[in-house]
Amino acid sequence: NAGVTQTPKFQVLKTGQSMTLQCAQDMNHEYMSWYRQDPGMGLRLIHYSVGAGITDQGEVPNGYNVSRSTTEDFPLRLLSAAPSQTSVYFCASSYSSVWRFTDTQYFGPGTRLTVL
Amino acid sequence: AQTVTQSQPEMSVQEAETVTLSCTYDTSESNYYLFWYKQPPSRQMILVIRQEAYKQQNATENRFSVNFQKAAKSFSLKISDSQLGDTAMYFCAFMKQDNAGNMLTFGGGTRLMVKP
Repeated sequence: NAGVTQTPKFQVLKTGQSMTLQCAQDMNHEYMSWYRQDPGMGLRLIHYSVGAGITDQGEVPNGYNVSRSTTEDFPLRLLSAAPSQTSVYFCASSYSSVWRFTDTQYFGPGTRLTVL
Repeated sequence: AQTVTQSQPEMSVQEAETVTLSCTYDTSESNYYLFWYKQPPSRQMILVIRQEAYKQQNATENRFSVNFQKAAKSFSLKISDSQLGDTAMYFCAFMKQDNAGNMLTFGGGTRLMVKP
């Protein structure tokens, strides 16, 4: 298994540009999520999905869209990038949407995004 | 809403010695889970140890152990026999036990440097 993969690893955008951060997992996990990590802060939840076709907002959803058309993929879209969205983005997945203590959330390697 | 606080932005320890990282949290929930994650320079998020709030016994994983004080809402991580590979950012995280999206709430992190 490749686990959780994210592309690209690095990206520089200009203000107002759009882009999609890709996330994929090959573990047949129900639950997938996106976090952002800013300097001096822990990760904060942007959006999550409990299965194909089902998404919901997390703590900091503004400026981001998501969709979950397949179990494997959970892309994060920035429609009009802003400097405040400069951050490191992590995708995570876990087996069940009904979390059990023995479950583990697997994190991808992250995407470093800079918006000029 | 839950909050997680890590009061030590940076710490250092000599190789082979013991170090304790502090974490406090605020919640009105009675059932929840607590975690420590390690983030090395590779940026990968790695689960170190986890604790169920209803269990009084402190969790241990090899050289890693926690001191869980539920009444004080404290969850510290002790690393024994520190190794150079323990150098990383460490994040304390909280998850409610209501399965509402498997959301993790992270503290701001502690940067640990293990010195040879």
